[in-house]
Amino acid sequence: GENVEQHPSTLSVQEGDSAVIKCTYSDSASNYFPWYKQELGKGPQLIIDIRSNVGEKKDQRIAVTLNKTAKHFSLHITETQPEDSAVYFCAASIGYSSASKIIFGSGTRLSIRP
Amino acid sequence: DAGVTQSPTHLIKTRGQQVTLRCSPKSGHDTVSWYQQALGQGPQFIFQYYEEEERQRGNFPDRFSGHQFPNYSSELNVNALLLGDSALYLCASRAAADTQYFGPGTRLTVL
Repeated sequence: GENVEQHPSTLSVQEGDSAVIKCTYSDSASNYFPWYKQELGKGPQLIIDIRSNVGEKKDQRIAVTLNKTAKHFSLHITETQPEDSAVYFCAASIGYSSASKIIFGSGTRLSIRP
Repeated sequence: DAGVTQSPTHLIKTRGQQVTLRCSPKSGHDTVSWYQQALGQGPQFIFQYYEEEERQRGNFPDRFSGHQFPNYSSELNVNALLLGDSALYLCASRAAADTQYFGPGTRLTVL
């Protein structure tokens, strides 16, 4: 079955610097890659997603890149702010219809130092 | 528009008991998925319901069962609780190719 590996498990960056989280997936049929942010005591919240027909997507300070050949995808957060501190999860899915399921990575705890 | 809601927020049970968790999907969503999130780990897919039928299932024993009602709400049932079942249980809903949205979760503690 699909497996998603995520690195690093913890990341501490200075406020204003950039943060990068990397993931790899095992099933080459995966074609939908969402990223979630989870704050303490809350459910995961979708922050950005990318589909396999696109190599890069950007939304303000957040960008995601996808390398289908290498089965790698990454999250980039620029100009980090204290409110970016949270646990981030990458995920992969085969299809994005009602029949698809989403497999998550193990998470990255991001801390922003003031 | 209310998002995904779950009840109860917290629950404490003892080993061997049974538990039922409830989920109401976001308005307009017809597909509900359940996940188990152990402390410090990513959510693990349990199963997914669409049109009142289980469509996909993760690697969970038959002690985990579910149901979807005609109004698309869903229940997760766990029988013969084990200490290892202690976790945050997340419900997520979606509609066809729409984004999947998560609820706040139910924290289950098994003593």
